[in-house]
Amino acid sequence: KAGVTQTPRYLIKTRGQQVTLSCSPISGHRSVSWYQQTPGQGLQFLFEYFSETQRNKGNFPGRFSGRQFSNSRSEMNVSTLELGDSALYLCASSLGPSRVGETQYFGPGTRLLVL
Amino acid sequence: AQSVTQPDIHITVSEGASLELRCNYSYGATPYLFWYVQSPGQGLQLLLKYFSGDTLVQGIKGFEAEFKRSQSSFNLRKPSVHWSDAAEYFCAVGPPGYNQGGKLIFGQGTELSVKP
Repeated sequence: KAGVTQTPRYLIKTRGQQVTLSCSPISGHRSVSWYQQTPGQGLQFLFEYFSETQRNKGNFPGRFSGRQFSNSRSEMNVSTLELGDSALYLCASSLGPSRVGETQYFGPGTRLLVL
Repeated sequence: AQSVTQPDIHITVSEGASLELRCNYSYGATPYLFWYVQSPGQGLQLLLKYFSGDTLVQGIKGFEAEFKRSQSSFNLRKPSVHWSDAAEYFCAVGPPGYNQGGKLIFGQGTELSVKP
């Protein structure tokens, strides 16, 4: 079974631009979460989608948004890029709500550099 | 405040030596607990997880972890380290309500170096 895929793997943008990152979850997984990883702040939760609905959101400004499609693929968008948005953006997928507990499987990430 | 702490930022061990990476959490109820490993430039790979039951859990690559409720800890261990284990290790917690919104809280990570 193929793992979580993220495109593109690397991206260079300039301040003020916007960017869209894509994530395809493991087949059969319906939940997708996004995380930002930076050397200073570590790994921080952005948001999570299940069945095309955002279930949870982290403490990020409204410039960060996301969506999920009916095939469970997800995109996240960052508008008006700032230098501090330079980071590794990780996507994780899981089956979805479970009484037992969800396990998230991560993709390789998209490394975004803002100049 | 609810948090996950990995006290050791960097650890160096000799190849073949044993390893223990520490993780402490501060939540009222027992959370879901995970250990992930990240090689340079890569995503996170799941090593093992604890949801309930037996407090000693086995994972991939010869790793194990023990949940100790009284110490709010979930330490990762390996009896004999290989050079390929050099990487960064993250402890993560799924806090109460995790199954309603998929939010993992991560520790700051422990970077492991392995001496020949």
